[in-house]
Amino acid sequence: QKEVEQDPGPLSVPEGAIVSLNCTYSNSAFQYFMWYRQYSRKGPELLMYTYSSGNKEDGRFTAQVDKSSKYISLFIRDSQPSDSATYLCAMNVGSNYKLTFGKGTLLTVNP
Amino acid sequence: GAGVSQSPSNKVTEKGKDVELRCDPISGHTALYWYRQSLGQGLEFLIYFQGNSAPDKSGLPSDRFSAERTGGSVSTLTIQRTQQEDSAVYLCASSPQTGGAKTQYFGPGTRLLVL
Repeated sequence: QKEVEQDPGPLSVPEGAIVSLNCTYSNSAFQYFMWYRQYSRKGPELLMYTYSSGNKEDGRFTAQVDKSSKYISLFIRDSQPSDSATYLCAMNVGSNYKLTFGKGTLLTVNP
Repeated sequence: GAGVSQSPSNKVTEKGKDVELRCDPISGHTALYWYRQSLGQGLEFLIYFQGNSAPDKSGLPSDRFSAERTGGSVSTLTIQRTQQEDSAVYLCASSPQTGGAKTQYFGPGTRLLVL
C-alpha cells in the first residue's frame, strides 16, 4: 500500500460546479498537508497547506483534513475553466523536509 | 520576485551519455530539493540540500545520480550513463529557512528524454 493514495481521474465538470478532490494516507505521523496545482508542462504551485484537522478556506478553495480517517480533501467552489489542471496532494512529518505526494488528479472544467 | 528557474527546459540525449541539469533557487532560500516526475507517477523525492550540504541522498535511484550545490545557491543534478528509464521531468524546489518544507516553491522542470 502506497503511503498516499489519490484517484488520478480524469475528472470533468461543467463551469460553476463544486469540485471535490481527495487523498487518503496510511502514515499517522503526517502532520502537514498541502495541495499543489500543476498546469500542463509547468511546475507544481502551492495552493494551500494545513496543519491540523479541520477546514481552511482561501477564496474559492477549502482544504479539509480528517486525521482520524486519514483523509484530506480540497473543495473548489464556482469552478472556472482556468482551474483545469492536475491537483497534487502532499504531506510530511513535522519539520521533516521530505514531502510525500499523491499521483495527482487531472481536472477539466468545461465552459 | 524571480521564482525557481531550471535549465535546460528540455533535454534529449542518447542512452549512455551523461547529462547535467541546473537549478537556480529563489534568492535567500536555504533549502533546495530535487524531485522526479515520471509518466503516471507522483513526484518522487531525490535529494535535499540545506545550504551546501546534502543530509539526505536516500532518494537517488542509483549511483549514476549525483548532485551538488555551491555557494548555497545553484544546484546541479548529474546523471551518468543515462538509461531510457531515466526519462522523466526533473523538478527542483526551494524553501526559506522559516516555513520549511511545507512551503516549497517549484521550478518549471527539465524534461529529459533518453533515446
